[in-house]
Amino acid sequence: AQRVTQPEKLLSVFKGAPVELKCNYSYSGSPELFWYVQYSRQRLQLLLRHISRESIKGFTADLNKGETSFHLKKPFAQEEDSAMYYCALSVLDDYKLSFGAGTTVTVRA
Amino acid sequence: GAGVSQSPRYKVAKRGQDVALRCDPISGHVSLFWYQQALGQGPEFLTYFQNEAQLDKSGLPSDRFFAERPEGSVSTLKIQRTQQEDSAVYLCASSLGSGSGNTEAFFGQGTRLTVV
Repeated sequence: AQRVTQPEKLLSVFKGAPVELKCNYSYSGSPELFWYVQYSRQRLQLLLRHISRESIKGFTADLNKGETSFHLKKPFAQEEDSAMYYCALSVLDDYKLSFGAGTTVTVRA
Repeated sequence: GAGVSQSPRYKVAKRGQDVALRCDPISGHVSLFWYQQALGQGPEFLTYFQNEAQLDKSGLPSDRFFAERPEGSVSTLKIQRTQQEDSAVYLCASSLGSGSGNTEAFFGQGTRLTVV
């Protein structure tokens, strides 16, 4: 069965500093990887997915199949980036998402 | 409405009570999912519907949990004889496509269930 690990529960950075959220997965095939974000008092929403190769709100994530990782990065954190971030995985021809436990990011002024 | 709507937002139930949680997906969305999110954890899959068909209920933790989507739109998650371990946020999500996990899932605000 597939599994997603986010080793950091909490991450605190200063405004303007780089931020990296770690995500590792275990799955023997080719997964689809996603990052979801939940801002305070808002619903869970998709931030980005690896197949689209987009940069959303300055965030990027690269799928590294050799290291089975999908770390989320932003070179200059902003206060509005403070939120809960979840890494998620789905597998080919499946429909459900497997989520990590989440990382709470706090960006300090 | 513009998004997935869940009701009630909060529910307090006495142990042993039955509860029903409602989800209104985005109109026209084929796929509907229920997830359970315990405190400090990520969402865990419960069940999946494609239109009115429940294709996967492998995540339902016990036979006290039952979900339906009779007309392929609104869905209800029912929990019978609630226990304290059922306390969690129950999330509903819908997506336009079917079958593949890479179709974007849109989540509701969730229902926070507290069993006392």
